[in-house]
Order: sequence, then structure tokens, then C-alpha cells
Amino acid sequence: SQTIHQWPATLVQPVGSPLSLECTVEGTSNPNLYWYRQAAGRGLQLLFYSVGIGQISSEVPQNLSASRPQDRQFILSSKKLLLSDSGFYLCAWEIFTGELFFGEGSRLTVL
Amino acid sequence: AQKVTQAQTEISVVEKEDVTLDCVYETRDTTYYLFWYKQPPSGELVFLIRRNSFDEQNEISGRYSWNFQKSTSSFNFTITASQVVDSAVYFCALSEAGTGGFKTIFGAGTRLFVKA
Repeated sequence: SQTIHQWPATLVQPVGSPLSLECTVEGTSNPNLYWYRQAAGRGLQLLFYSVGIGQISSEVPQNLSASRPQDRQFILSSKKLLLSDSGFYLCAWEIFTGELFFGEGSRLTVL
Repeated sequence: AQKVTQAQTEISVVEKEDVTLDCVYETRDTTYYLFWYKQPPSGELVFLIRRNSFDEQNEISGRYSWNFQKSTSSFNFTITASQVVDSAVYFCALSEAGTGGFKTIFGAGTRLFVKA
């Protein structure tokens, strides 16, 4: 069966520090992968999606970047975090009929 | 432009009450998908249901039922005989077939509190 994991689960980082959140999917090949952000008490904002290795589409200009170095690995990064980057980050993979399956989430607090 | 509106920010009910979560969507596409997801306090979103634009049949799964009406662009979700474990944030979502894959637009979510 397919599984998705992301880590770390919780992260507290100072402003200006780098960020790396990692997501891996198992049990499927060539999935579409997504990074979403959920600000406190708000809905989900699509940040990036990828349809294949090295292929990244950005939905919102921001302080973040994404990479997909392997088929089932999706990484969210930042060189210098801002206070506004705080939030709950969710990685997801998608099957061809559109259902999204989410990881456990990573809660980032920037101080 | 696509849009999903969940007008109810929070709903509070007492256990065993029925509750309906509203969802209204906008799209110019003729082919699209609608979804409901549940986000329990743990944070991970859980897929509940997918409905495509050509299938207006209502669906029932246990205590959950969904009413899809294209005429009013609505996809409402009803929980019958609510339970404390139903307490969560529920998201309605709309998906189009974009270039290279689907892109899903989420509503702002409705937080449901079920009191014992």
C-alpha cells in the first residue's frame, strides 16, 4: 500500500535561518506531489506541485523553493526564513483521479 | 476563476444531532471534481469523498451523506447522529485537470465541534 511521510513534525527556527522539509512517498511510482501551507485557523494554500523529477511549478511567489531530486522525494526549502513563513506545511501525493493523500504535516514556528 | 466557499466558519452541535456543512463552488470547466476532506486535531487531512461533475447522484456512507447539485453549484455534506469523534475541520475542494496534473482549490474550512 502507498504511504507518505514528512519530517520533521515540529520545527522552531529563528528568522533568517534556512529550512528544509522533506517528504517521501512509498508504494507508488511517478506520483504528482504537492506542498501546501496552512496558516493558523485558515485554509490551505498551494505552494508547489511537481509532476516529475526536476519539474516544479510554483503557485505563489514567496521566500520558499521546492525540489524533487528523486521520483518519490519532495523537498521544501528556504535560504532565509521570515516570520510570515510560520505555519503548518503539508505534503501530498495524488492519484490520477484527483484524490490527495496527505502526510502528517510539519509545524514550523519562526521566531 | 475557480473558487470554493464554505460560509460556515464554525458549527457547534450536541452529540446525536444532525449537521450539514455547506459548500458552494465556482468554475468555468465542464469537467471537474469535488472533494471533502477531514482534518482532525492531529492535523493530517483525510480524504472522504470525490464526486465528478457528471455524477449528480447523492451518496451515503454510514452516517455521512453528500448532496451534489450542479444547478446551485453546491456540494453539501451531512453528518447524521453526530459523534464527538466527528469534531474536526472539514474542507470542501474543487479540482481541475491542469497542465500535467490536477490542482486542487480548497475552501477555508468549517470547524465542527460536537459536544458530548
